[in-house]
Amino acid sequence: SQTIHQWPATLVQPVGSPLSLECTVEGTSNPNLYWYRQAAGRGLQLLFYSVGIGQISSEVPQNLSASRPQDRQFILSSKKLLLSDSGFYLCAWVSGVSTGELFFGEGSRLTVL
Amino acid sequence: KNQVEQSPQSLIILEGKNCTLQCNYTVSPFSNLRWYKQDTGRGPVSLTIMTFSENTKSNGRYTATLDADTKQSSLHITASQLSDSASYICVVSGGGGYQKVTFGTGTKLQVIP
Repeated sequence: SQTIHQWPATLVQPVGSPLSLECTVEGTSNPNLYWYRQAAGRGLQLLFYSVGIGQISSEVPQNLSASRPQDRQFILSSKKLLLSDSGFYLCAWVSGVSTGELFFGEGSRLTVL
Repeated sequence: KNQVEQSPQSLIILEGKNCTLQCNYTVSPFSNLRWYKQDTGRGPVSLTIMTFSENTKSNGRYTATLDADTKQSSLHITASQLSDSASYICVVSGGGGYQKVTFGTGTKLQVIP
């Protein structure tokens, strides 16, 4: 069966420090992968999506970047964190295009101080 | 602009009681609508999916309805349990992959004994 894992689960970082969140999918090949951010009281916001190795699309301009070095690995990064980067980050893959179900990872809680 | 609005924002009910959550959307074109359950600090999990032609769909004690003409959906929870305490998110897809998905901000449900 397919599984998706994110780490770390929680992270407290000072402003200006770097960030690396990792997401790994098992049990499927060539998945579409997504990074979302969920701020308090707001809906999930799509940050990046990837349809294959090295293929990254960004939905909103921001202080973050994403990379997909391997088929089942998706990484969210920042060189210098801002206070506004605090939030709950979710990695997801979809079982099929358009009508497929989104499967989410456990999430990573980032607090920037 | 595609929008998904949910009401109420939060809800407290007694264990064993029923409740109904509402979702209004302005997404166009419309492909499907999903309800997700998100436990605190976890990733969302899909409860139901409804396409344009479906009016009602059940998943155990959860029953979702869809009125594509008025662009409204509801999620009815019967005989609530403490484990139903979570946020419920309405997600509307306009087709073309999850790049075109709009998330509601969710209804936070608390079931108390």
